[in-house]
Amino acid sequence: DTAVSQTPKYLVTQMGNDKSIKCEQNLGHDTMYWYKQDSKKFLKIMFSYNNKELIINETVPNRFSPKSPDKAHLNLHINSLELGDSAVYFCASSQEPQLNTGELFFGEGSRLTVL
Amino acid sequence: RKEVEQDPGPFNVPEGATVAFNCTYSNSASQSFFWYRQDCRKEPKLLMSVYSSGNEDGRFTAQLNRASQYISLLIRDSKLSDSATYLCVVKRDHTGGFKTIFGAGTRLFVKA
Repeated sequence: DTAVSQTPKYLVTQMGNDKSIKCEQNLGHDTMYWYKQDSKKFLKIMFSYNNKELIINETVPNRFSPKSPDKAHLNLHINSLELGDSAVYFCASSQEPQLNTGELFFGEGSRLTVL
Repeated sequence: RKEVEQDPGPFNVPEGATVAFNCTYSNSASQSFFWYRQDCRKEPKLLMSVYSSGNEDGRFTAQLNRASQYISLLIRDSKLSDSATYLCVVKRDHTGGFKTIFGAGTRLFVKA
């Protein structure tokens, strides 16, 4: 059983389109994240949710809208896609009882290519 | 300036070599430290936590210097399978929870 699963794994689309990426975790974690990894491989946090509540929104354009229907799911919807949105988007989850714990478990990534 | 800085490499080393990676962080409020490993076209995975007293896990040794805001990872007796990108990670308080910040990674190639 995959702990953190995200779909689709690959997404190729035209500029201006709207697309969604879904993420589900079966680890019972309270916290979920979206990270973006660009062509330079820099992994940058976008959003973090704790028990369905948004706690981090890292100056991401408002074309990106996360939604957490329950604590096991965190979806990412992107409107009006731009070339610069091409990247690998990683979903992750963790259990955060203390500051020095809380390993992040990542999904396999969703590779988005905007043409 | 990025909050977590690493030498991007690549480091090209022969099998059996010892290699060391360094990392600096700029926010003195950072409280927890980790090394993650990312294989090509895969997701990052936790390699080890880094404790103030330094810690070892087999061939891997991690060190933390809070005064200098500096973290290191030493790999002894490198194996071909160690080829990957090593991500330095710091964690600190954030409103409502914690924030985990990744460095850009250091690429390692171990050759036969």
